[in-house]
Amino acid sequence: EAQVTQNPRYLITVTGKKLTVTCSQNMNHEYMSWYRQDPGLGLRQIYYSMNVEVTDKGDVPEGYKVSRKEKRNFPLILESPSPNQTSLYFCASRRPGQPQHFGDGTRLSIL
Amino acid sequence: AQSVTQLDSQVPVFEEAPVELRCNYSSSVSVYLFWYVQYPNQGLQLLLKYLSGSTLVKGINGFEAEFNKSQTSFHLRKPSVHISDTAEYFCAVSALDNNDMRFGAGTRLTVKP
Repeated sequence: EAQVTQNPRYLITVTGKKLTVTCSQNMNHEYMSWYRQDPGLGLRQIYYSMNVEVTDKGDVPEGYKVSRKEKRNFPLILESPSPNQTSLYFCASRRPGQPQHFGDGTRLSIL
Repeated sequence: AQSVTQLDSQVPVFEEAPVELRCNYSSSVSVYLFWYVQYPNQGLQLLLKYLSGSTLVKGINGFEAEFNKSQTSFHLRKPSVHISDTAEYFCAVSALDNNDMRFGAGTRLTVKP
């Protein structure tokens, strides 16, 4: 089954404790992205990647890192999480010119 | 970079009434346009897309949208809504040659009996 898989689905953690949200897709898509969703703000793009080793900042990259060492994986790293990064996060992948396929989301709470 | 404005944050309507959710975009280059729906406590599902060709695009669940290049709009319509259409709807725009896809802030459609 074609899918984008994010882990974990839920995480409660504390300020400053490094965390990684993994994202993997099995559709051989070139493009991958991370978004955060906050009430009233819609989805805001954090980082995106057009291929292996090619990443770009989106609207809200501060406090986040990504890497694209393999085509299928695009982990999101919070080196020193803060409460303002509490949010619902979505990973997505697609082919050029096609719609995004989204993962089921990761709800992060940072205390 | 491109941007999207959804003109209504909330749209309440009665069941079986028509609805239009408005979306305007801004871009200096040609774009693709999309509408997604998010049901409560769920992920995002593609409703319809405009890539090229006919400016009237039909999607799932009886929705359609019209691309208007001169007005830079991509409004979503449905002639008769159901209670089950209650959800949040997002308009999105992407340039043709990169992965920078931007979303609007969303429109919460509430269908009342």
